[in-house]
Amino acid sequence: SQQGEEDPQALSIQEGENATMNCSYKTSINNLQWYRQNSGRGLVHLILIRSNEREKHSGRLRVTLDTSKKSSSLLITASRAADTASYFCATVRGGSYIPTFGRGTSLIVHP
Amino acid sequence: DADVTQTPRNRITKTGKRIMLECSQTKGHDRMYWYRQDPGLGLRLIYYSFDVKDINKGEISDGYSVSRQAQAKFSLSLESAIPNQTALYFCATSGRNQETQYFGPGTRLLVL
Repeated sequence: SQQGEEDPQALSIQEGENATMNCSYKTSINNLQWYRQNSGRGLVHLILIRSNEREKHSGRLRVTLDTSKKSSSLLITASRAADTASYFCATVRGGSYIPTFGRGTSLIVHP
Repeated sequence: DADVTQTPRNRITKTGKRIMLECSQTKGHDRMYWYRQDPGLGLRLIYYSFDVKDINKGEISDGYSVSRQAQAKFSLSLESAIPNQTALYFCATSGRNQETQYFGPGTRLLVL
């Protein structure tokens, strides 16, 4: 069963705009990860945020984590057509090293 | 060369056939995983292995079996394929005590 659920399921924006995707989860976690998947390809790890962290940055990516609300957001700033992909959040519970993946957000960035 | 490879990349088979999907990695990781991906359902864990002598069932292991032939190789078998096993299958690896996973390119399986 999915632990994390992404919202929205699909997002369509213009190049240059910011894209925000959200992930909600049900039980306490050790860390939360975001992955990217280009159509039909394997997932690629983007960023990991631990339960004692509130915000992390990596290039144009900004991830926040609110453990009180059991939610995370992924912000992609100044989006590019090449950012078109599906984005998945994955949660890791304490005592486990195995991430549980959500259903993903499909992002389309129009040039 | 890719760190995690999967063969075949595409496979069409018939109901009742036995098939094997293979995964190899050059990352030196101890841990390997098999997932399936269905449209709208995300990734679901089938089996995982933390080392050569360790095999564990995941969320949806029924109808599947695995073999960890070596640290670098982890195979998934469908003993008697059925149409609802049509999916995209991914192998992944991770280092010891590391949660980040590295995925192969996937095998697209169609069971007729």
